[in-house]
Amino acid sequence: GNSVTQMEGPVTLSEEAFLTINCTYTATGYPSLFWYVQYPGEGLQLLLKATKADDKGSNKGFEATYRKETTSFHLEKGSVQVSDSAVYFCALSGQAGTALIFGKGTTLSVSS
Amino acid sequence: GAVVSQHPSWVICKSGTSVKIECRSLDFQATTMFWYRQFPKQSLMLMATSNEGSKATYEQGVEKDKFLINHASLTLSTLTVTSAHPEDSSFYICSARAAGQGDYNEQFFGPGTRLTVL
Repeated sequence: GNSVTQMEGPVTLSEEAFLTINCTYTATGYPSLFWYVQYPGEGLQLLLKATKADDKGSNKGFEATYRKETTSFHLEKGSVQVSDSAVYFCALSGQAGTALIFGKGTTLSVSS
Repeated sequence: GAVVSQHPSWVICKSGTSVKIECRSLDFQATTMFWYRQFPKQSLMLMATSNEGSKATYEQGVEKDKFLINHASLTLSTLTVTSAHPEDSSFYICSARAAGQGDYNEQFFGPGTRLTVL
């Protein structure tokens, strides 16, 4: 079945450091891929998405490229801020109308 | 746009009582809503998929008689935890998929409901 594997945290960085959170997936067909962010005490928010191979999703300085050859969708940001501290979830959707399948989440902690 | 609300945001109840959680799409029609459960520091686990006007589809291991789901309209789905026990304490999150998305499958999440059963 479909699954998502993302690096376990916590990830602890200093402000302005480079961030990479790895995410790989297993799926049949051509899934859509998502990154969601959950700030402390809040619900999940869509951070970025990509619906086909080689698409690059980007938002708020974060980027992720849908790599079908490596079945990956790694999240990157060139310079993190304290306000980026949150839990990040990689997710995929195999078919329209089906539930999202989530990775276990990666906690990011950024200090000033 | 695309706002999903949940009510209540938190609830504390006694063991053996039932609790109803509402999930509403405020500015769009949701043909499909999903209910997830999130344990502390863990990922979201899908509990069930609910389509408006039909019975919910439950994931393996989820007791449908314990977690009653009703999707009576295109903007409202409810999850009722019946005869709640302390092990049901968790963070329950709903998401909604808007009608007319075609092959696109973006879902919008509610803020979650924290249930504590004493």
